[in-house]
Amino acid sequence: EPEVTQTPSHQVTQMGQEVILRCVPISNHLYFYWYRQILGQKVEFLVSFYNNEISEKSEIFDDQFSVERPDGSNFTLKIRSTKLEDSAMYFCASRPWTGVNQPQHFGDGTRLSIL
Amino acid sequence: QKEVEQDPGPLSVPEGAIVSLNCTYSNSAFQYFMWYRQYSRKGPELLMYTYSSGNKEDGRFTAQVDKSSKYISLFIRDSQPSDSATYLCAMSVIIQGAQKLVFGQGTRLTINP
Repeated sequence: EPEVTQTPSHQVTQMGQEVILRCVPISNHLYFYWYRQILGQKVEFLVSFYNNEISEKSEIFDDQFSVERPDGSNFTLKIRSTKLEDSAMYFCASRPWTGVNQPQHFGDGTRLSIL
Repeated sequence: QKEVEQDPGPLSVPEGAIVSLNCTYSNSAFQYFMWYRQYSRKGPELLMYTYSSGNKEDGRFTAQVDKSSKYISLFIRDSQPSDSATYLCAMSVIIQGAQKLVFGQGTRLTINP
């Protein structure tokens, strides 16, 4: 069964450094999402992306965050200058276009640790 | 009031028991209701996806939605140790195709052999 893949599984970065998290969504999907889960807390929506532009973003998704679909298969989340509070699991999800009655499918996440 | 509330547990039951997991919500605009299962160090895995009020069954799993009470449930029959995981409820509206999910806290479930 097709799946969403995320790399790396674990990223350790010094505070203030830039980090790029990578995702390969399911191939025929057209909507892409990023969520994060701080340890012990809820999964939180960050951003949705369709047709090469952001369709919705949360308050968390400030100017330090950006998303990009650099080619036909990858979807990336960049954090420009990381803070300690950015430490979390980051999940990518994708969803097909065909009708509204289609759920999101998630990858296994990247654990981001900011030192 | 939180948009989605879910008892975090933990919940521990013997193998073979019927498990009932629940969420309440406050936003009457939610149209779509999901249950995801999350194993340790893994991403959320879709279990059930429902739109209307009523019941939806898939094998040992039954999802129930009561929009009038803003209450959703997941029932697991004949529970197995492999069902031990965290169960997340999630709900959304869809606006112009975009679907932002709002999750509950997750309920940690352990099925004891």
